[in-house]
Amino acid sequence: QSALTQPASVSGSPGQSITISCTGSSSDVGGYNYVSWYQQHPGKAPKLMISDVSNRPSGVSNRFSGSKSGNTASLTISGLQTEDEADYYCSSYTSSSTRVFGTGTKVTVL
Amino acid sequence: QVQLQESGPGLVKPSETLSLTCTVSGGSISSYYWTWMRQPPGKGLEWIGYIYYTGSSNYNPSLKSRVTMSVDTSKNQFSLKLSSVTAADTAVYYCARGANSFSYWGLGTLVTVSS
Repeated sequence: QSALTQPASVSGSPGQSITISCTGSSSDVGGYNYVSWYQQHPGKAPKLMISDVSNRPSGVSNRFSGSKSGNTASLTISGLQTEDEADYYCSSYTSSSTRVFGTGTKVTVL
Repeated sequence: QVQLQESGPGLVKPSETLSLTCTVSGGSISSYYWTWMRQPPGKGLEWIGYIYYTGSSNYNPSLKSRVTMSVDTSKNQFSLKLSSVTAADTAVYYCARGANSFSYWGLGTLVTVSS
């Protein structure tokens, strides 16, 4: 199974909005509403930010939102803050009943 | 608050078997799926597989021939065994709760494969 495709890096200034894409196929992202997003700071374990395409777990800032169109899912961070600087990974259920992660995106706050 | 803690040897010799245990505290291991993932140094996350508290499991096809997962509900633990390891298996190994999204994670444990 091939990793989902994410941009290597995305940057923005404080207060701006950025969007991270996660592109797969009809056998994963496009076929199921089981896309989740994770934030990972250096040396730390990942943290769940979005589940099931657009559900935000309790305690996660409402500045984070998720969506999906066709075979591409997206994570939008609005009102960018310095603490949002981290790596972000998407994950999806696949038609083989396995799970696959994205390649990861480094978010830089300018 | 649910907490997970990975434990096991930090150094494994090539061709040997990597064995890790994840201990769950603050909640029961029952009624949930439990997943193992890994992250080679400086690289992305890789899904290894999951085990349900009943013992049913599902593994990454690329690792399936070498992976075995088990669960011990009496100890609130689940385990990972990866056989015939090589340097490519050097990574931080994480355990987590969930199957489609992973809501609770362990801190991770670095396993280095080297003679």
